Amino acid sequence: EVQLVESGGGLVQPGGSLRLSCAASGFTFSSYWMSWVRQAPGKGLEWVANIKQDGSEKYYVDSVKGRFTISRDNAKNSLYLQMNSLRAEDTAVYYCARDQGDVYAKWFDPWGQGTLVTVSS
Amino acid sequence: SYVLTQPPSVSVAPGQTARITCGGNNIGSKSVHWYQQKPGQAPVLVVYDDSDRPSGIPERFSGSNSGNTATLTISRVEAGDEADYYCQVWDSSSEGVFGGGTKLTVL
Repeated sequence: EVQLVESGGGLVQPGGSLRLSCAASGFTFSSYWMSWVRQAPGKGLEWVANIKQDGSEKYYVDSVKGRFTISRDNAKNSLYLQMNSLRAEDTAVYYCARDQGDVYAKWFDPWGQGTLVTVSS
Repeated sequence: SYVLTQPPSVSVAPGQTARITCGGNNIGSKSVHWYQQKPGQAPVLVVYDDSDRPSGIPERFSGSNSGNTATLTISRVEAGDEADYYCQVWDSSSEGVFGGGTKLTVL
């Protein structure tokens, strides 16, 4: 069974840092692009970042560029999101998702259960 | 960046057909994907590449895409279909774009 399990969320003060992890199982992790998608409380979905199979390409939504870094460890079947200079507006459930499709048309399947990040003093 | 527009809500009686639209500039030239999200749960892919269904998704779920509008159609709606639905495309700037979401209410 394909499974993605996020961890690392929690309460952090504005300006602080947090590192999210996503453990993948049930598929060949090193063969897939991977993404992070977030959802603020009561709001819609927002794609955050993705990373190529070998980590050589990374893309980010404008609002997190320079603050967030996506990375992966294929030996550990794990995806990460290092979040620095956190703001209140970064408060959200963060989902890890497997990219499907090609460079012109990607979709996300499956998704993890999500981990909640709360940025507040 | 590219913008996708969905109606905030759609209501339908059980057994009827629900149509949820997703508007975007020349969206017919892009591949559109749809997700279902029930309260407290992660999103689930229900349609990809405009009209393909993942395994395990009922045939009642179908999609179309032309011009400036993509549509998710749910036939013979059931109470269990009540959820938020999101459309999504992959923009040419190499980023994912989601619509604002549509809450489907089964009357």
